[in-house]
Amino acid sequence: SQTIHQWPATLVQPVGSPLSLECTVEGTSNPNLYWYRQAAGRGLQLLFYSVGIGQISSEVPQNLSASRPQDRQFILSSKKLLLSDSGFYLCAWSLRAGQLFFGSGTQLSVL
Amino acid sequence: RKEVEQDPGPFNVPEGATVAFNCTYSNSASQSFFWYRQDCRKEPKLLMSVYSSGNEDGRFTAQLNRASQYISLLIRDSKLSDSATYLCVVLRGGADGLTFGKGTHLIIQP
Repeated sequence: SQTIHQWPATLVQPVGSPLSLECTVEGTSNPNLYWYRQAAGRGLQLLFYSVGIGQISSEVPQNLSASRPQDRQFILSSKKLLLSDSGFYLCAWSLRAGQLFFGSGTQLSVL
Repeated sequence: RKEVEQDPGPFNVPEGATVAFNCTYSNSASQSFFWYRQDCRKEPKLLMSVYSSGNEDGRFTAQLNRASQYISLLIRDSKLSDSATYLCVVLRGGADGLTFGKGTHLIIQP
């Protein structure tokens, strides 16, 4: 069966520090991979998605970046965090459109 | 008009009651529709897909009205464990075509 792992679960970082969130999927090949952010009181915002290794599409211009170095690995990064980067970050995968399977999320607090 | 709109609630409903909420979407070319459930500080999970003819899964019934561009979710005999936020999700096509509503917060009271 397929599983998705996302870590860490919580993170507190100072403004201006770097960020690296990692997500891995097991039990499937060539999935579509996604990074979403959910800010307090807001809906899910798609940040990046990838349909294959090295293929990254960005939905929102900002100081975040994503990489897919391996088929089942998706990384969200930032060189310098802003206060506005605080939120609940979710990695997800899908094989069929509409059926997303989410990781357990990372609660990021930028102070 | 926002792409996907939901009443944020909260809907406070006594245990055992029936509750229904709607979601409207603006893109008439939307292809597929889903309801996801999200518990507090947890990840969203697919509850059910919404088919054109309507579909039922136990106590849950989903309906689609393409003419009026809304989908609905009905929960019968509500349980305390149904308390959660219900997200309406619309697919317009493509790998990035999913749009999530902000969710409707449901609280089932004993």
